[in-house]
Amino acid sequence: KNEVEQSPQNLTAQEGEFITINCSYSVGISALHWLQQHPGGGIVSLFMLSSGKKKHGRLIATINIQEKHSSLHITASHPRDSAVYICAVRNPPTGNQFYFGTGTSLTVIP
Amino acid sequence: EPEVTQTPSHQVTQMGQEVILRCVPISNHLYFYWYRQILGQKVEFLVSFYNNEISEKSEIFDDQFSVERPDGSNFTLKIRSTKLEDSAMYFCASNRGGNSPLHFGNGTRLTVT
Repeated sequence: KNEVEQSPQNLTAQEGEFITINCSYSVGISALHWLQQHPGGGIVSLFMLSSGKKKHGRLIATINIQEKHSSLHITASHPRDSAVYICAVRNPPTGNQFYFGTGTSLTVIP
Repeated sequence: EPEVTQTPSHQVTQMGQEVILRCVPISNHLYFYWYRQILGQKVEFLVSFYNNEISEKSEIFDDQFSVERPDGSNFTLKIRSTKLEDSAMYFCASNRGGNSPLHFGNGTRLTVT
């Protein structure tokens, strides 16, 4: 089992602000996913990380394997970024079970 | 871009009835999953399926649940005798295995009355 904690649980930001969402986990992993869940419920995969940093448009994800911690950053936030952001981890070595955080609900105000 | 499709989008059933939730994973994916999310709670793993058999299951996935790949494209979750607490959003997902990205369907909202 892996305990996955996210912070903050809720976040309200003004349009244009830089946003950081944090994820920590208790047991060493082989991969971490950042997911986005929209109000309708659908889940979209944003990033899969096993080390270092990845960037896609205004989104940046980093992971520190030694500290068991990952961050998701959103630059120049926009109201369409409003969603729940979920961190999910996969335990090695052969397990395909993913453990999910409780999610961070982000609201970006125009 | 290929996607995971789930049907129906919403299912209402009476307590004690059997339900079958259907999924069509992405065709070249090898691993299939079912997750559930009770309203307001985190997403929880139910089961993973590989090579026509269950590879892992959680403690939630008890004898009331079963999965099947009846043909080359569908992947189903059956709940034999639904309980009120089975009301949740059920997500199907697939990937190539290992550390490859997970692709989720849009979910089936199950309401047990």
